[in-house]
Amino acid sequence: ETGVTQSPTHLIKTRGQQVTLRCSSQSGHNTVSWYQQALGQGPQFIFQYYREEENGRGNFPPRFSGLQFPNYSSELNVNALELDDSALYLCASTIPGGGAYNEQFFGPGTRLTVL
Amino acid sequence: AQSVTQLGSHVSVSEGALVLLRCNYSSSVPPYLFWYVQYPNQGLQLLLKYTTGATLVKGINGFEAEFKKSETSFHLTKPSAHMSDAAEYFCAVSDRSGGSYIPTFGRGTSLIVHP
Repeated sequence: ETGVTQSPTHLIKTRGQQVTLRCSSQSGHNTVSWYQQALGQGPQFIFQYYREEENGRGNFPPRFSGLQFPNYSSELNVNALELDDSALYLCASTIPGGGAYNEQFFGPGTRLTVL
Repeated sequence: AQSVTQLGSHVSVSEGALVLLRCNYSSSVPPYLFWYVQYPNQGLQLLLKYTTGATLVKGINGFEAEFKKSETSFHLTKPSAHMSDAAEYFCAVSDRSGGSYIPTFGRGTSLIVHP
């Protein structure tokens, strides 16, 4: 059984550009969440997808958007990049029927640097 | 809305000494509480969680935490630190928001273990 994988591992973009980050959930997991972890901070919840629909969203602007595909893989898209978007982006998946007490399985993250 | 406070951004202990990492939460409803560990260049891994029942929770790698409702605390302890315990530790609380459970993470505590 493979764990959660993310690509790419590192990415450098310039301000104003757009970026797409990818995540493959752990086998059998149908819920995926995305987090932004700035340097020295804890992960901040961006949004969650369940069965290809957005199921919850944190305090992030609409230029942060996502997709979940039928195979439960997922994308995070960020438009009009700003310097403050520089962070580690984490993807986490949860088992079906995941509730508040279910463990989230995290990928290693994508380190995004915006210049 | 829930929040998590981790006291001390850095905790330094000697190998073999007691580890105590502090976490206080605020939540309007009974919380689900978690501790995660993050090793360098890796995603987060669940150490332990509290849902209901026994207030002393045992996790992996010899860690445990005690839920104290009266103190709104969920401190993480380990009797004897090992060099391999050096990592970033995050406390998190999960609460219902709309149709999903949104976890809120603390800012993290970096555990430093001296030989």
